[in-house]
Amino acid sequence: QVQLQQWGAGLLKPSETLSLTCEVNVGTSGGFYWSWIRQAPGKGLEWIGEINHSGTTNYNPSLESRVTTSIDTSTSQVSLRLKSVTAADTAVYYCARARRPKYYFDSWGPGTLVTVSS
Amino acid sequence: QSALTQPASVSGSPGQSITISCTGSDDDIGEYNLVSWYQQHPGKIPKLIIFEATKRPSAVSDRFSGSKSGNTASLTISGLHPDDEASYYCCSYAGRRLVIFGGGTHVTVL
Repeated sequence: QVQLQQWGAGLLKPSETLSLTCEVNVGTSGGFYWSWIRQAPGKGLEWIGEINHSGTTNYNPSLESRVTTSIDTSTSQVSLRLKSVTAADTAVYYCARARRPKYYFDSWGPGTLVTVSS
Repeated sequence: QSALTQPASVSGSPGQSITISCTGSDDDIGEYNLVSWYQQHPGKIPKLIIFEATKRPSAVSDRFSGSKSGNTASLTISGLHPDDEASYYCCSYAGRRLVIFGGGTHVTVL
């Protein structure tokens, strides 16, 4: 069974860089993409972007200028960096396994609440 | 890409059936059969309940069913249970390797 663990700083100041890591117990190789999805308090889900084992990335155009994802297949870890954060980036950030080419998310991490406040 | 449009809330009594709509455009739902639905209870992580518009993971109750017509996808919950009270999100491939979600629908079991 796929399990995703997440960690990273939960409190940031405006202009800082958000950094989260997601570790997958079954490894990150194979025909999957590893996505990041966020949910602002009381709001809906927003897809941030994704990466596969080869390092191929796709990003939400609204965040693309500030987002970077990376992967380390040797440690089965996927990372998200979002620079120049503002209060609008306050959200629970999830990593999720994405099925391709069918575009659905079948396993989710527990989520990490990131609060941006001065 | 704009978010998919869902009603903010839907309600029903135990045992009834309800349907949640998810409206997109010719560029997403209308173009691709790649709609998925997620159930999220308060404080919990989203759970996949429908993929490829109509398919259901084996562990998901057959009371949940999905359909699609034109630019609109729908999720039907039959025989409503108190435990079905949750938020439901639709999601679609939008071309160019992009994914969009709906704003979510809160289901209340009266």
